[in-house]
Amino acid sequence: DTAVSQTPKYLVTQMGNDKSIKCEQNLGHDTMYWYKQDSKKFLKIMFSYNNKELIINETVPNRFSPKSPDKAHLNLHINSLELGDSAVYFCASSQDSSEREGYEQYFGPGTRLTVT
Amino acid sequence: AQSVTQPDIHITVSEGASLELRCNYSYGATPYLFWYVQSPGQGLQLLLKYFSGDTLVQGIKGFEAEFKRSQSSFNLRKPSVHWSDAAEYFCAVELLDSSYKLIFGSGTRLLVRP
Repeated sequence: DTAVSQTPKYLVTQMGNDKSIKCEQNLGHDTMYWYKQDSKKFLKIMFSYNNKELIINETVPNRFSPKSPDKAHLNLHINSLELGDSAVYFCASSQDSSEREGYEQYFGPGTRLTVT
Repeated sequence: AQSVTQPDIHITVSEGASLELRCNYSYGATPYLFWYVQSPGQGLQLLLKYFSGDTLVQGIKGFEAEFKRSQSSFNLRKPSVHWSDAAEYFCAVELLDSSYKLIFGSGTRLLVRP
């Protein structure tokens, strides 16, 4: 079974549209994240949620809105898509733990978003 | 500001040769340190991590990394590269502010010559 899954894998859409990317993890983790990887492969965190509460919100345009209906899901909704939003978006999850040796972020396979 | 530098954008090695990928960080304290690998079209997989203790850490797929506090470095090594190691490698640090936030370097693409 896939630990962190994302849908869709590819998303092609036009400027101005609204789209969502879904993420689910079956690892029982407490924290989930969204990362953006640009065309130069640079990875940057966008958001993280812990037990459905927002704990990290980087300087992301408010057209991006994460939604966490439960601990296992963190969806990313993007309004009024722009050309610059084209990127690969990765979802990740991790387990809160004081036992740092066991800590790891598990990444999904990514969603390649192309805005035309 | 905190930053992670991977000075090599591309590295090409012959299969069977040794490999070292460089990573330097800029941070006020010793952060937690990670190396991830991204195969083409795939997500990121953790190779190894350093939190404390022994400065030479072993990871999966025969990789190891050495933390050097004096140089603020965490270089990744492998004694003999296999063709399947061709991928993008990312160094990352986690800030010690309990946010679990990872800051990634810009990545190093490894090409393996047969």
